Amino acid sequence: QKEVEQNSGPLSVPEGAIASLNCTYSDRGSQSFFWYRQYSGKSPELIMFIYSNGDKEDGRFTAQLNKASQYVSLLIRDSQPSDSATYLCAVMGGGSNYKLTFGKGTLLTVNP
Amino acid sequence: KAGVTQTPRYLIKTRGQQVTLSCSPISGHRSVSWYQQTPGQGLQFLFEYFSETQRNKGNFPGRFSGRQFSNSRSEMNVSTLELGDSALYLCASSREGGNYGYTFGSGTRLTVV
Repeated sequence: QKEVEQNSGPLSVPEGAIASLNCTYSDRGSQSFFWYRQYSGKSPELIMFIYSNGDKEDGRFTAQLNKASQYVSLLIRDSQPSDSATYLCAVMGGGSNYKLTFGKGTLLTVNP
Repeated sequence: KAGVTQTPRYLIKTRGQQVTLSCSPISGHRSVSWYQQTPGQGLQFLFEYFSETQRNKGNFPGRFSGRQFSNSRSEMNVSTLELGDSALYLCASSREGGNYGYTFGSGTRLTVV
């Protein structure tokens, strides 16, 4: 069973702090990695994707990938109350595997 | 541009009935995937279609089926509904194989009573 595990949370950070969200995956053949944000009662929204080892930055968000350790993370700098949501890590296999396997998500609360 | 459109938004059905959900992808997107989301299991992959062909299928019983039309619109069907089928059903689309991520629709909330 190919799995994606996320720290269970909930994670609570003060406004302006850095929020760190972590994810591990079991399928070594995985090629593409995604972070989605889901507000309560809404559908998932893509924040970032990353394919190569290292860091990828987009505004206040940084995704980090370490394929050797099978580990993906998302850092949110200068966290805002509007960042309060569930963050979902998703992994896609390589080749002709177009299935996204999601973690259960981490609930983030940013306190003003 | 218009996003992924799913209809209907809400549906209430009785056990044993069947249901069809519809999804219109973003214009130009040819890959459509379906997911089931429940509080206990999270997001579970149902199937993925590209150019009217099912390329991947998740671990759901045969009561769950889908298809894609030549205009990339997709439908999902669930027959002989069970109480456990109550969930949010999400459709997502991508240009090709989702390498740049899938865009999700607002979902169809199905309640089986």
